[in-house]
Amino acid sequence: EDKVVQSPLSLVVHEGDTVTLNCSYEVTNFRSLLWYKQEKKAPTFLFMLTSSGIEKKSGRLSSILDKKELSSILNITATQTGDSAIYLCAPILGRNNDMRFGAGTRLTVKP
Amino acid sequence: KAGVTQTPRYLIKTRGQQVTLSCSPISGHRSVSWYQQTPGQGLQFLFEYFSETQRNKGNFPGRFSGRQFSNSRSEMNVSTLELGDSALYLCASSSPGVGEQYFGPGTRLTVT
Repeated sequence: EDKVVQSPLSLVVHEGDTVTLNCSYEVTNFRSLLWYKQEKKAPTFLFMLTSSGIEKKSGRLSSILDKKELSSILNITATQTGDSAIYLCAPILGRNNDMRFGAGTRLTVKP
Repeated sequence: KAGVTQTPRYLIKTRGQQVTLSCSPISGHRSVSWYQQTPGQGLQFLFEYFSETQRNKGNFPGRFSGRQFSNSRSEMNVSTLELGDSALYLCASSSPGVGEQYFGPGTRLTVT
């Protein structure tokens, strides 16, 4: 059975802190991995990672995939209150757009 | 480009009724996936449609069904509603082979 585990489940930090969110997966026919940010409504796309060891960066957010360890991390530096959200990772399986979401990490950034 | 749209945004139904939710993908996207999100279970995959054909299906009972039209718009139907079907239903669209999916705002269904 496919398994996606995110840790920690919940995290409370103060503005300016750096956080690292983890995603590990055990799935069949892994193709790539997506990260999403979900605030009040729909998840918004952050990154897609296909190759191991290549960091993707967008402003204060960065992410990297480790196919050997079957895991990915999402880093957020100099956190702001606007980063408060649930962060979801989702491996894509097979040739179709078959995604399996983790339970998410709820990040709260306090002023 | 307009984003993914879903209608209705909110819905209240009673047990035993049926409901139909609609999703219009981003123009040019031919793949539409449906998800159920609840506080206890997180985001769970329902099914995916591509070119009017169901390509993938998650572990949901047969009361959950869907279809896709030739213009890529998709509908999801839940029959014989149960209290546990109360959830946010999200649809997402993507381009063939691209992978990343773009979500609509969701339909919040409450079953009383």
